[in-house]
Amino acid sequence: GIQVEQSPPDLILQEGANSTLRCNFSDSVNNLQWFHQNPWGQLINLFYIPSGTKQNGRLSATTVATERYSLLYISSSQTTDSGVYFCAASNAGGTSYGKLTFGQGTILTVHP
Amino acid sequence: DVKVTQSSRYLVKRTGEKVFLECVQDMDHENMFWYRQDPGLGLRLIYFSYDVKMKEKGDIPEGYSVSREKKERFSLILESASTNQTSMYLCASSFFGNTEAFFGQGTRLTVV
Repeated sequence: GIQVEQSPPDLILQEGANSTLRCNFSDSVNNLQWFHQNPWGQLINLFYIPSGTKQNGRLSATTVATERYSLLYISSSQTTDSGVYFCAASNAGGTSYGKLTFGQGTILTVHP
Repeated sequence: DVKVTQSSRYLVKRTGEKVFLECVQDMDHENMFWYRQDPGLGLRLIYFSYDVKMKEKGDIPEGYSVSREKKERFSLILESASTNQTSMYLCASSFFGNTEAFFGQGTRLTVV
């Protein structure tokens, strides 16, 4: 099955700094999602981005499907951005049924 | 807004008990999924369903079964709970194919 790797595993920032999180995947994908896991454990959808670029406020994401990676950009970070960020991908192909394979996550800590 | 609701946020059960985790979605999604999340192991797929009464094993189905009698509801069953099933359980749903998945708030299950 598809392999998903995220980097860095941990990231510590001062409030106001910018950051880039990376997700590499091993095969062609039809689904690539970024999530933020809140302190209570719920996965919050950030982006559904199998290809191209999207922006939502201070967050943006780019997926280069041909080179098998995706990037999540966080600008002007705030303490509320702290938490775990997951990338998840699903293989291209008719029988994948949208099953997601998750990376191990990036733990982001933003200090005031 | 898509809503995926899990029946309990926290649950404590005894070893050997039969445990039911319920998940309901209100978006008429065809696909539904159960994942578990463990420190160091990440999120792993237990079972999924792409239609009523249809179910497929994921990566770690041992010790679990599922039921999907209605389109909006997907139940995870621990036939005889064991301490190694102490975990965070996350339900998700999506439209048929490789489409954006949405997650419930998670259930933290402790088996004592």
